[in-house]
Amino acid sequence: LAKTTQPISMDSYEGQEVNITCSHNNIATNDYITWYQQFPSQGPRFIIQGYKTKVTNEVASLFIPADRKSSTLSLPRVSLSDTAVYYCLVGPGTALIFGKGTTLSVSS
Amino acid sequence: NAGVTQTPKFRVLKTGQSMTLLCAQDMNHEYMYWYRQDPGMGLRLIHYSVGEGTTAKGEVPDGYNVSRLKKQNFLLGLESAAPSQTSVYFCASRGTSGKGGREPQYFGPGTRLLVL
Repeated sequence: LAKTTQPISMDSYEGQEVNITCSHNNIATNDYITWYQQFPSQGPRFIIQGYKTKVTNEVASLFIPADRKSSTLSLPRVSLSDTAVYYCLVGPGTALIFGKGTTLSVSS
Repeated sequence: NAGVTQTPKFRVLKTGQSMTLLCAQDMNHEYMYWYRQDPGMGLRLIHYSVGEGTTAKGEVPDGYNVSRLKKQNFLLGLESAAPSQTSVYFCASRGTSGKGGREPQYFGPGTRLLVL
């Protein structure tokens, strides 16, 4: 499984755009990149998944460069309710490793 | 749909006691997972199952056993609980689309276990 590296924590203010970058230098050809969000005292929740280029849904955008060695989760105009831990996972899907994630703190 | 449910929500055990955590899903998913989460450690995979009657070890399987006798249920057992097993346990399930890793995992609400 490809190892991922992401910042331990990030701070932001309401209304700002937040970009969280994940490095995965040894990503394999058949690996997908998946992001999850976890609020305190809850299980993680799927946000977005991509293979290459750009993916967008109602919650976030995922940017993946051509070499696929990194990816960036973009959260537009964050609010206080976006305070959570964000996990970047890379793999074919059977048993993905979560790691410690990035703790995003949004302030007013 | 209830999604993924876990029983119990909270439990206190004494060292050496045994217990079983139950995970149930009503989405007809093939894959099911058990994770534990400790403060500052993220989620660590204990065991998982790719179908009824099959199980496999994850990152931290020692001290736990699992069974998948029915497709909708995945049981996690602690034969002799230890204080190091104090944690929050999450169950998850995932369907298969036949297109690789495209199906997301759906998580239960968690079980808080305290071993004294």
